[in-house]
Amino acid sequence: AQSVTQLDSQVPVFEEAPVELRCNYSSSVSVYLFWYVQYPNQGLQLLLKYLSGSTLVKGINGFEAEFNKSQTSFHLRKPSVHISDTAEYFCAVSMNSGGSNYKLTFGKGTLLTVNP
Amino acid sequence: DTEVTQTPKHLVMGMTNKKSLKCEQHMGHRAMYWYKQKAKKPPELMFVYSYEKLSINESVPSRFSPECPNSSLLNLHLHALQPEDSALYLCASSPSAFHYEQYFGPGTRLTVT
Repeated sequence: AQSVTQLDSQVPVFEEAPVELRCNYSSSVSVYLFWYVQYPNQGLQLLLKYLSGSTLVKGINGFEAEFNKSQTSFHLRKPSVHISDTAEYFCAVSMNSGGSNYKLTFGKGTLLTVNP
Repeated sequence: DTEVTQTPKHLVMGMTNKKSLKCEQHMGHRAMYWYKQKAKKPPELMFVYSYEKLSINESVPSRFSPECPNSSLLNLHLHALQPEDSALYLCASSPSAFHYEQYFGPGTRLTVT
C-alpha cells in the first residue's frame, strides 16, 4: 500500500524567511509526486510535480522540491516566503489503483502561516 | 483554457431536498473526479469517470449519485443528505485516467441543515 506522511501539521515562519515543508512517502513501485496548495476557501492548485528525470523540480510562486529516492522524501522549499504564501500545502502521490486508473493519495496537509 | 469550473459556489440544503452540483472543463480531458473535503483534512476521492463511464466508486452512499452527460460535464446529484455530508466538494480532471496529475476546480461549499 502507498502512503504519504507530512511530518509537520503546522509551520509558522516570518516573512522573507526560508521554509521547508517535509513529505515522506512509502511505495514499492515507481512514484509520481506532487505538491498542491490550497488557499482559504479555494480549491487545490498544482504547485509542482515530479514524474521522472531531474530530481530538483521547480514550480510556481518560487517553490521547488527535491525528490530523494533513498530517503523516500519529496520536501518542498522556498528561499523567502511572503504573507501571501499562507495556505494549506498537500503532498500527494499518484498510484495505479488497478487496471488503468491512477489515484492520488494525499498527505494530511501542512498549514504554512507567514507572519509579518 | 486551463480551468475547471464548479457551480454553485455555496449550497445550503435540507435533509429532504434534492440538489445537484455541476462541474465543467474545456481542456479536452477525458477523466473527471469528485472529491469530498472536510475542514482541515485532505480531499477524499468519491468517484472517477473515464471516457464518460464510471470507473471508480469509493463505496460512496447512494444518496450521492454521479452523472457524466458528456466529456466536458460532470454532475453530482444529492438526495436525502445528512448533516455530516456538509463539506467542500471538489471536482478535478486529467487528460485521462492513465494520467498522473489532476487539475482541481474551486469547489462547492455544501451545508446540510
